[in-house]
Amino acid sequence: DAGVIQSPRHEVTEMGQEVTLRCKPISGHDYLFWYRQTMMRGLELLIYFNNNVPIDDSGMPEDRFSAKMPNASFSTLKIQPSEPRDSAVYFCASSFKGLWEQYFGPGTRLTVT
Amino acid sequence: AQKITQTQPGMFVQEKEAVTLDCTYDTSDQSYGLFWYKQPSSGEMIFLIYQGSYDEQNATEGRYSLNFQKARKSANLVISASQLGDSAMYFCAMREAYAGNNRKLIWGLGTSLAVNP
Repeated sequence: DAGVIQSPRHEVTEMGQEVTLRCKPISGHDYLFWYRQTMMRGLELLIYFNNNVPIDDSGMPEDRFSAKMPNASFSTLKIQPSEPRDSAVYFCASSFKGLWEQYFGPGTRLTVT
Repeated sequence: AQKITQTQPGMFVQEKEAVTLDCTYDTSDQSYGLFWYKQPSSGEMIFLIYQGSYDEQNATEGRYSLNFQKARKSANLVISASQLGDSAMYFCAMREAYAGNNRKLIWGLGTSLAVNP
């Protein structure tokens, strides 16, 4: 079975540019989570969706960040404009309503110069 | 406030020996759950084991077991017969009480485990 798929795996961009991260959850999972991981702050939940509807976006750092889930098999996290402090590994994870565990994608390593 | 504490930033163990990674938690909820995840140097987060607060017996998954001591608010991960491939960061996490769509996890800062040959 395919796991959570994220693209791109690595992204290097210049400050001020728009960045779009993509995620395909595991088929049949109805929760989708976006996390950010840095050495300084550890793993932070940014936003999560249930059945394509955003449930909690309190972790989104600021208005430069936005996330969408147009259908059950696709989600995007967009940063516009990007800043060097956004450099981190961004994970997407999904889970099924009948289970508590979340399954993570391989992550996108974002570097903003 | 709910919190997860992992007091061991780094641990070493000899191959084939058992190792315990500590995790303590703080919550006022009666219903909650504890997770352990593994993050090898390649970066992916791998789910290892889960235990709910009402589960009677400690959870086990292969060489992983969760030593759940409710009164002490600890949920330590025990890895038996360590292998070189067990070298990784290990994260403890806790789910909040179920309420509607609430699926947030509280994460610890992790413990780095190195298995020596």
